[in-house]
Amino acid sequence: DAGVIQSPRHEVTEMGQEVTLRCKPISGHDYLFWYRQTMMRGLELLIYFNNNVPIDDSGMPEDRFSAKMPNASFSTLKIQPSEPRDSAVYFCASSTTKFDRASSNQPQHFGDGTRLSIL
Amino acid sequence: TQLLEQSPQFLSIQEGENLTVYCNSSSVFSSLQWYRQEPGEGPVLLVTVVTGGEVKKLKRLTFQFGDARKDSSLHITAAQPGDTGLYLCAGAPRGSTLGRLYFGRGTQLTVWP
Repeated sequence: DAGVIQSPRHEVTEMGQEVTLRCKPISGHDYLFWYRQTMMRGLELLIYFNNNVPIDDSGMPEDRFSAKMPNASFSTLKIQPSEPRDSAVYFCASSTTKFDRASSNQPQHFGDGTRLSIL
Repeated sequence: TQLLEQSPQFLSIQEGENLTVYCNSSSVFSSLQWYRQEPGEGPVLLVTVVTGGEVKKLKRLTFQFGDARKDSSLHITAAQPGDTGLYLCAGAPRGSTLGRLYFGRGTQLTVWP
């Protein structure tokens, strides 16, 4: 079975440029999560969706960050304009509550991440 | 402040040694999960503990959920270089928003041959 697919794997760009990260969740999963991981802060939740609807975006650091989920099989995280402090590894994860409504028990399946470097 | 505190932050040991890493909170959790993350990859679930006092074993790894469901530990027996990685605990405290997990900052384990 295909896991969570993220693209690109690596992105290097200059500050001020727009960056778009993409994610394809596991088919049939109803939750999608965007995380950012750095040495200083660890794994931070940015935003998550349930059935394509944003549920909690309180982790989005600034208005420069936006995320969309136009359908069940695709999501984007956009940074515009990008800044050097946005450099990090960005992960997408998905999960499902279809087999157990105790959603806190459900594992999150992560992609391999996008390593973003803003120069 | 982190909802889940993990310790130690870094651990470097020789092959064959035993080790324990901890995940602590002041909140009660309905369950806790442990993930391992290897370089260049996303975290991968190892186990979920659900019942207070529960012990689960995965080969040389033993996971325990505290009786009060506020803490968990991971014990590795006879560590091997293949155990090297970042170990993360995660959970959802009672009353938290449905669907999301809170992650600790992890324990970076290095096992030298």
